[in-house]
Amino acid sequence: EAAVTQSPRNKVTVTGGNVTLSCRQTNSHNYMYWYRQDTGHGLRLIHYSYGAGNLQIGDVPDGYKATRTTQEDFFLLLELASPSQTSLYFCASSEDKYSQNTLYFGAGTRLSVL
Amino acid sequence: GEQVEQLPSSLIVQEGASVLINCSYTDSASVYFPWYKQEPGKRLQFIIDIRSNMERKQTQRLTLLFDKKTKHLSLHITATQPGDSAIYFCSACIDRGSALGRLHFGAGTQLIVIP
Repeated sequence: EAAVTQSPRNKVTVTGGNVTLSCRQTNSHNYMYWYRQDTGHGLRLIHYSYGAGNLQIGDVPDGYKATRTTQEDFFLLLELASPSQTSLYFCASSEDKYSQNTLYFGAGTRLSVL
Repeated sequence: GEQVEQLPSSLIVQEGASVLINCSYTDSASVYFPWYKQEPGKRLQFIIDIRSNMERKQTQRLTLLFDKKTKHLSLHITATQPGDSAIYFCSACIDRGSALGRLHFGAGTQLIVIP
C-alpha cells in the first residue's frame, strides 16, 4: 500500500509564528496535495504539485506557501500563523491527477495556533 | 466552483441495520466520484468510486448509485458492523480546464454503529 508520512503529528504555535509541515511519499507518485479538514467544511485543497519544483494553487491558498523539493517531499509553510489556520492538515499523493485516480493520505498533522 | 453537499451530517444505527448517505454536487463537468472513509484516529481511505457514465456500482456491502440528471449520489451500506463507524466523505472530480483532476469534498457524514 502507498505510504505517506507526515510530520509532526501535532504542533502548537503562537499567532505570528513560523510553521513548516512536512510530507514524504515513497511510492514514486507524481502528484502531492495539501488539504485542511475543518468541521462542517470537509477537506479543502490548499496547494498541490505534480513534480519537483512545481506548485499549483488550490482552493484555499491564502496564508500558505508550499514547496516540492523532490518527488518524495512536499512542505507546507505558514510564515505568519493565525488562529484561523488552526486545523487538521492532510497530505496526500496520487499517481496522476486525472479521473479514476486514488488519493493516498497521510495520518494528518493537528495544528493549533494560539 | 463545485459544491458538494452531504446529508445527513451524522447517523447512529444499531448493528445490522442498513444506512443511506446522500450526496449532491453542482458542476455538471464533474465526471468522477470517489468516496473515502475516515475511521477514528486513522487516515482517510478510498472505499468506492463511480464514473459519470455509470448508474450503479457495488462492492461487498457497499452500493453506490449515481443520477446524472439530478446530480445526486447515494451510498448504501448494508448489514452494518461496529467497524463501519467512521466519517464518510463524498467527493467530485471535475474534468475541465485548470480544474482537471481536482477533488472537491463534502463535509462528511459521521456514522456510528452500536453493537
